[in-house]
Amino acid sequence: DGGITQSPKYLFRKEGQNVTLSCEQNLNHDAMYWYRQDPGQGLRLIYYSQIVNDFQKGDIAEGYSVSREKKESFPLTVTSAQKNPTAFYLCASSISQRNTEAFFGQGTRLTVV
Amino acid sequence: AQTVTQSQPEMSVQEAETVTLSCTYDTSESDYYLFWYKQPPSRQMILVIRQEAYKQQNATENRFSVNFQKAAKSFSLKISDSQLGDAAMYFCALISGNTPLVFGKGTRLSVIA
Repeated sequence: DGGITQSPKYLFRKEGQNVTLSCEQNLNHDAMYWYRQDPGQGLRLIYYSQIVNDFQKGDIAEGYSVSREKKESFPLTVTSAQKNPTAFYLCASSISQRNTEAFFGQGTRLTVV
Repeated sequence: AQTVTQSQPEMSVQEAETVTLSCTYDTSESDYYLFWYKQPPSRQMILVIRQEAYKQQNATENRFSVNFQKAAKSFSLKISDSQLGDAAMYFCALISGNTPLVFGKGTRLSVIA
């Protein structure tokens, strides 16, 4: 079945460590996105990519990095520079960036211990 | 900048009754789309309904309908014959131009049996 797969569902990280969240889609979508969700904050955009080998910072990119080496994959690295990384992370994709709805993965809950 | 505001953090409705969730937005673009997403306890984001700005007719999907007031920049969601399965967080979202989806902070809907 076509869809977006995020892994793992739950992730624990020690302070000072980098960690990478996986996002894979087989919908042949050009655009992919990473959002962060905190209680009472809605979804805030971290990074997005319109095509392979290109990506742009969103509203809260500090402490995060991404790559887009393949159309299907858009991994997110949470670095040690991210001061408050505990959150729910959602990956999404859309056919293109202009005026189309986004489809979401199941999310990854990251907890710093 | 594009913004989306949901002024009701929480709402409740009796089963089988009707409830309306409010959303206002701001954009300088003339071509844009509006969406309502549902996030149940599983945290999977599900598209409920979409509205193209150029269409005057309000979108409808079964028990879900919108009241799109373009001049007032208002986009409310009406849920008729509410069911227990409608209990969730509801997010209003806007996409315009080349800007990725922008979300409101959400409204938590409770359905009372």
